[in-house]
Amino acid sequence: AQTVTQSQPEMSVQEAETVTLSCTYDTSESDYYLFWYKQPPSRQMILVIRQEAYKQQNATENRFSVNFQKAAKSFSLKISDSQLGDAAMYFCAYRRWSNSGYALNFGKGTSLLVTP
Amino acid sequence: KAGVTQTPRYLIKTRGQQVTLSCSPISGHRSVSWYQQTPGQGLQFLFEYFSETQRNKGNFPGRFSGRQFSNSRSEMNVSTLELGDSALYLCASSLEWGPSNLAKNIQYFGAGTRLSVL
Repeated sequence: AQTVTQSQPEMSVQEAETVTLSCTYDTSESDYYLFWYKQPPSRQMILVIRQEAYKQQNATENRFSVNFQKAAKSFSLKISDSQLGDAAMYFCAYRRWSNSGYALNFGKGTSLLVTP
Repeated sequence: KAGVTQTPRYLIKTRGQQVTLSCSPISGHRSVSWYQQTPGQGLQFLFEYFSETQRNKGNFPGRFSGRQFSNSRSEMNVSTLELGDSALYLCASSLEWGPSNLAKNIQYFGAGTRLSVL
């Protein structure tokens, strides 16, 4: 089974600063997808950014970017110019296609606190 | 376009009862998945439906079941509730199901149903 590890239960960043959230995963597959989801106190899980494993270029969405290291099985999320609205739980997730279908494997999450 | 809608938002039940949760996917989405979120176990996959057929199932007891209707709406049922079933149940929908391009298989989540079992 694929496992996703987020080693930082909590992180803190000052407004306007940059923070990096870590994620490692375990898989023997070569074709898969990786995601970062954000879950604010409203509980709505929001897709932040996605990465296809076959793409070498790191994905970027506005202030959010990833550092995808396929050989190291690492997928970190960088948030630049942090804003108060970025405070939330962040989940790293892995998904791949198999004959039994899809499922997202989630990490335990990192709670991000943004201070003024 | 409306997002994924889950009803009800909150439920309180007692041990031994059964419960049904509902999920309406984004218009045009044909695949629905269910997840259980607890502080101890985190987010765990329950099952996934496409074209009214269960396509994948997580490691949960048979007390957990689900179905999908012809309009892609889905329900999940938990029978003989246990205290440990207290959790946030999340539903997610995607356009398609299958080894096609990623964009059609991205999952979008609802706000969840908070179930408390007393």
